[in-house]
Amino acid sequence: EIVMTQSPATLSVSPGERATLSCRASQSVSSNLAWYQQKPGQAPRLLIYGASTRATGIPARFSGSGSGTEFTLTISSLQSEDFAVYYCQQYSNWPRTFGQGTKLEI
Amino acid sequence: EVQLLESGGGLVQPGGSLRLSCAASGFTFSSYVMTWVRQAPGKGLEWVSTVSTGGINTYYADSVKGRFTISRDNSKNTLYLQMNSLRAEDTAIYYCAKLGSDNSWYGGFDYWGQGTLGTVSS
Repeated sequence: EIVMTQSPATLSVSPGERATLSCRASQSVSSNLAWYQQKPGQAPRLLIYGASTRATGIPARFSGSGSGTEFTLTISSLQSEDFAVYYCQQYSNWPRTFGQGTKLEI
Repeated sequence: EVQLLESGGGLVQPGGSLRLSCAASGFTFSSYVMTWVRQAPGKGLEWVSTVSTGGINTYYADSVKGRFTISRDNSKNTLYLQMNSLRAEDTAIYYCAKLGSDNSWYGGFDYWGQGTLGTVSS
């Protein structure tokens, strides 16, 4: 099983600032990596797939990078609606696995 | 508009069973791999199971293998999860999710249902 490790567990930032979230895979997943955003009481929302491709309707301030085992989700100029929990997920191998999440808070 | 509507959750005793359903609309259901993901209260996301477009090929998390069965009825645009021998640790919100790419195993889950809560407790 590929273990996905996200860091930090919690990131405290201010609106307008830049946030950088990290995700590491225990073995290479190539570019088979997705990022999701989840707000309290809501289902997750797909942000990024293929490590760097924004999903439909996702604002340009969200960007993904990386390949192999190291990945980054960057949110430039944080908006109030961006404060949420973010998960990475690999779809290279079975079982599909998620990271434990990074909580983005003010 | 794509919609996924789960149902079937509820309270069940340990060792009992639940059958979850996910009614899909707004897309060609038979062309997409479908998945169940769960989230225990206050915890992160856990992939549970995935089924191929035709329902023949299935994959399961080790934690549910042998106890859960995923299936689909393309004539009814519905995904199912039969959960047997339930344990307290199966208590979670269960989401159905659609894969973003048609006729492929690869990609993110681009649409999710609102989830249905299954509680296993005596």
